[in-house]
Amino acid sequence: GQNIDQPTEMTATEGAIVQINCTYQTSGFNGLFWYQQHAGEAPTFLSYNVLDGLEEKGRFSSFLSRSKGYSYLLLKELQMKDSASYLCAALDSNYQLIWGAGTKLIIKP
Amino acid sequence: ETGVTQTPRHLVMGMTNKKSLKCEQHLGHNAMYWYKQSAKKPLELMFVYSLEERVENNSVPSRFSPECPNSSHLFLHLHTLQPEDSALYLCASSQGSGENYNEQFFGPGTRLTVL
Repeated sequence: GQNIDQPTEMTATEGAIVQINCTYQTSGFNGLFWYQQHAGEAPTFLSYNVLDGLEEKGRFSSFLSRSKGYSYLLLKELQMKDSASYLCAALDSNYQLIWGAGTKLIIKP
Repeated sequence: ETGVTQTPRHLVMGMTNKKSLKCEQHLGHNAMYWYKQSAKKPLELMFVYSLEERVENNSVPSRFSPECPNSSHLFLHLHTLQPEDSALYLCASSQGSGENYNEQFFGPGTRLTVL
C-alpha cells in the first residue's frame, strides 16, 4: 500500500532550527510537496521537490532523496508564527497526492 | 474575493437533514477537489473534477454527492449523514491535473458537525 510517515508533534524554541522528516512509499513518484496549515485555516503550499537535493526558499528549505524515499523540511530562525501543522504529500504514478497525517510544530519562547 | 472561498465556514446538521457545501475559486484553475480532514488523520481525497468532468471518486458513500456546474464552482451535497462524517471539508483547485499537475490551492474549509 501507499504510505507517508511523519512525526505527530514536535517542539522547538523561538530562534532555533527544526527539521521535520517525512518518509514515503508510493506506487511511482512524481514529486514531494510540503504544506503549512495553521489551526482553523487552509493548507498553504510551501515547496515542491522532484529531483534529489536541497531547495532553499528564505527561512524554509526542503530536501529530497528519491533513493531513500525521504524528505525533510528545515525551518531556520523559528518565529512564533511558525507554530502550525506541516503536511507532507507525495505525488504517485497516477498523479494522485498521498498525504501524511501532518506534524504539529509547537514553538516556545 | 481572491483565492478559494468556501461557505458556510461552520455547519451543524442532524442526520436527517439535507445541506450543501459551496466552493468557489477565483484563480482561473481547471481542476477542483473535495477533501475530508479528520483530526490526526491524513487528508482524504473524495472527488476530483477536471474541466468540469469528474475524474476521481474514491469510494465515497453515496450520501455525499458532488456537483461541478462550471470550472469555478464546486458543491458537495450532503444527505442522511452519520456522526462519523463530522470533519473539516476542504476544497482545493489547481491549474492542470494528471501529467500537467500543479500545486493545489485550498479554501479555509467547512467545519461540519453531524449530531
